Amino acid sequence: AQRVTQPEKLLSVFKGAPVELKCNYSYSGSPELFWYVQYSRQRLQLLLRHISRESIKGFTADLNKGETSFHLKKPFAQEEDSAMYYCALGSGGSNYKLTFGKGTLLTVNP
Amino acid sequence: GAVVSQHPSWVICKSGTSVKIECRSLDFQATTMFWYRQFPKQSLMLMATSNEGSKATYEQGVEKDKFLINHASLTLSTLTVTSAHPEDSSFYICSARDMASGRYEQYFGPGTRLTVT
Repeated sequence: AQRVTQPEKLLSVFKGAPVELKCNYSYSGSPELFWYVQYSRQRLQLLLRHISRESIKGFTADLNKGETSFHLKKPFAQEEDSAMYYCALGSGGSNYKLTFGKGTLLTVNP
Repeated sequence: GAVVSQHPSWVICKSGTSVKIECRSLDFQATTMFWYRQFPKQSLMLMATSNEGSKATYEQGVEKDKFLINHASLTLSTLTVTSAHPEDSSFYICSARDMASGRYEQYFGPGTRLTVT
């Protein structure tokens, strides 16, 4: 069975500081990893996916299959980055579905 | 971009009654839609996967007779909570995949807050 672990429920940093949101996964097949973000009073939206290997809003995430991790990083946090971040694992082939971690609430203080 | 809407955004119903929540893909066709439940300050729990024209696939522990899902068209899926009880009070979120794009990205609706009194 697939599982996604986000060990930090809350993460607080100061503006300009680096931030890293941790995500570990468990899946026997070939994983597809995503980071979703939910700003206050807004719907869940895709931030980035490992296949794209892109940087969105300054965030990057690298899939490390050896450590089964997909940590989200940003070198200089901004106040507008304050939000709930969910790591998700896509799996299942024809019965494709997303399994979400419990989420990390990031607060960037001025 | 792809937009998913939900209606209503919030609903209050009495215990024992049924309530229907609609999920629509506004500018794309969705052969697959997903229904999630989110408790306060908790993650999204997948309830069921809804495929157009066929029966929904429910996750373990989700009562299919209580949470009726219908996906009659490529742009509409409905979730009906039957004989609702206070413990069904939650935030229900749907998402849809735009298969035509060839991508596996899911687009999420804004959610429906259900309160059962």
